[in-house]
Amino acid sequence: QQPVQSPQAVILREGEDAVINCSSSKALYSVHWYRQKHGEAPVFLMILLKGGEQKGHEKISASFNEKKQQSSLYLTASQLSYSGTYFCGTVNQGGKLIFGQGTELSVKP
Amino acid sequence: KAGVTQTPRYLIKTRGQQVTLSCSPISGHRSVSWYQQTPGQGLQFLFEYFSETQRNKGNFPGRFSGRQFSNSRSEMNVSTLELGDSALYLCASSLEGTRLSTDTQYFGPGTRLTVL
Repeated sequence: QQPVQSPQAVILREGEDAVINCSSSKALYSVHWYRQKHGEAPVFLMILLKGGEQKGHEKISASFNEKKQQSSLYLTASQLSYSGTYFCGTVNQGGKLIFGQGTELSVKP
Repeated sequence: KAGVTQTPRYLIKTRGQQVTLSCSPISGHRSVSWYQQTPGQGLQFLFEYFSETQRNKGNFPGRFSGRQFSNSRSEMNVSTLELGDSALYLCASSLEGTRLSTDTQYFGPGTRLTVL
């Protein structure tokens, strides 16, 4: 089942912060975050695992609440280069990586 | 290390035809997954191959099929094309696949398929 992301879109000014949320109705083993710029392939940002372990980008932080089956991606002091569509992907017991619909982030000067 | 490559990058077909897309994973990666991306549906999982075996499958009709070769290269085939099959098809490779939930997937640039 596809995870649900919110918001669907957000517009920021440079330097502002944003939070993107991802929730699932099924128990999760891990949450993966990717960013896709227009016309390019999705690029890996971060993996969050059960137990609190994280692997990924130094300048991006995220949380994973296993009980609530939710994850949040925190983008602080946004830069123009942060613009793109952010996807969360969840891995459940079946081992499939299923992506949410995406959150479109636009950072304006 | 070379990234994931996909060929062709662009393809135009007509309804009823069939198409084969190719994906070469990063050297050493044994898992290849395929996704369909459309504006309204986001990234939809098609299937995953690992060591020449289909390990997982999404909710797509049987017209969508794939295979993986001994060198980990993968092909995806769509038969009897429909207008709704127009999409960006992305493949992603990883060392062991998402059954190992810590594994990172690396995406290729995609093949843009247009069905007329």
